[in-house]
Order: sequence, then C-alpha cells, then structure tokens
Amino acid sequence: NAGVTQTPKFQVLKTGQSMTLQCAQDMNHNSMYWYRQDPGMGLRLIYYSASEGTTDKGEVPNGYNVSRLNKREFSLRLESAAPSQTSVYFCASSAPPGQRIYGYTFGSGTRLTVV
Amino acid sequence: QQQVKQSPQSLIVQKGGISIINCAYENTAFDYFPWYQQFPGKGPALLIAIRPDVSEKKEGRFTISFNKSAKQFSLHIMDSQPGDSATYFCAARGNYQLIWGAGTKLIIKP
Repeated sequence: NAGVTQTPKFQVLKTGQSMTLQCAQDMNHNSMYWYRQDPGMGLRLIYYSASEGTTDKGEVPNGYNVSRLNKREFSLRLESAAPSQTSVYFCASSAPPGQRIYGYTFGSGTRLTVV
Repeated sequence: QQQVKQSPQSLIVQKGGISIINCAYENTAFDYFPWYQQFPGKGPALLIAIRPDVSEKKEGRFTISFNKSAKQFSLHIMDSQPGDSATYFCAARGNYQLIWGAGTKLIIKP
C-alpha cells in the first residue's frame, strides 16, 4: 500500500544515547515533515523539507537534526537523547499545494521513551 | 497571527447526537482548511477539507461550515457513532504549511 513508512515503531533509549528515526514515502511527494505529539500539546513541527535538498527548522528543533537523503527519505536524528524527548514522533509528506486534493499523509508513528 | 485555536479540548456526545468542533484563525492569507481524524496508536488521517470560497462542504455524516468574515470554521458530525470516537485536529494552510489546532478528543457514548 502506498504511504509513509516509519521505523522503528517503538524505542527505549537511555539519556545521552543517540538514534535515527527513519521515514520513507512512495507517493512521489515533494515535501516531508517531522512532528512530535505530546498529550494535550497537539502536533508540533520539528523540521520540514519543502523539497529534496532543503530542510528548515520548525517550532521545536532543539536537540534534533534531519537529513533529506533523497526524494523518498527523510530521517530525524537525536544526537544525545533527553527525557524531555519522550514523545510520539510522526513523519508526514505532502503533494504540491496546487493539487486538487491536498493533504498530509502521516506514518503510523514512533513511540520513543528516554529513561 | 499564525495560530489556529480549536475548541473544545474534549467532548462527550451521546450516540446519534451531533458533535460540533470549532476552530478560529487570524491570518486571512490561509487558503485551505482541512480536518484530520486520529485513532489511538495511529497517525492523523485527512477527513474532509474546504477552501475559503465555499461556505459548506458535506461528505456523508461529516460537514465543514466555513465563515470567512468571522474567520471561523467548524466540523459537524451528524448521527455520531461510537466508531467516531477519536481525536480531531483542524488545520489551516499558510505559506505552504499546515498550522494545526491543538486537537479535540471526542468520545461517543453508546
């Protein structure tokens, strides 16, 4: 099925460890996004990539880095995990704004716990 | 100006009733207003969307009402069912990105 695939689905890290969350889409979308979702906080944008080769900070970029590896893949890296980064992370992609049906397609999320 | 304010934070509706979730925005440059539905353990999924040149859009039991002058839009779920229990997010597109409301947790009581 076409869509956005995130790996891993679950992860437990110790404080100070690093890890990379992987995201791939097969819909030929230009734009990709990383969000975190915390209880009562809605969706907060960490980083986005409007097109291959570009990345920009979102609302909460501190402690994270991203790489747009190619048009399909957009990874999120935690260099030194902190308990405050315990969250559910969602990757999303979108078609260009001019499409008749425009929307974000989300992956199923990565549940990250930092202890 | 970039905010989208969503209310209520949570909502309990009896089965068969009408669920209403409201959103308000300030930026008149927003050009697209979608609603997303999220079930526990899943990512949000596009439910229905409207453009500002239309005052209402209906898809099955789901209707968006849009009031451009008041800068408000709302989601109405008619004949609400237990399977509609989910978190709902409104959003608005500005600068080629979606600005999200904080979400509404909807519970439909059987």
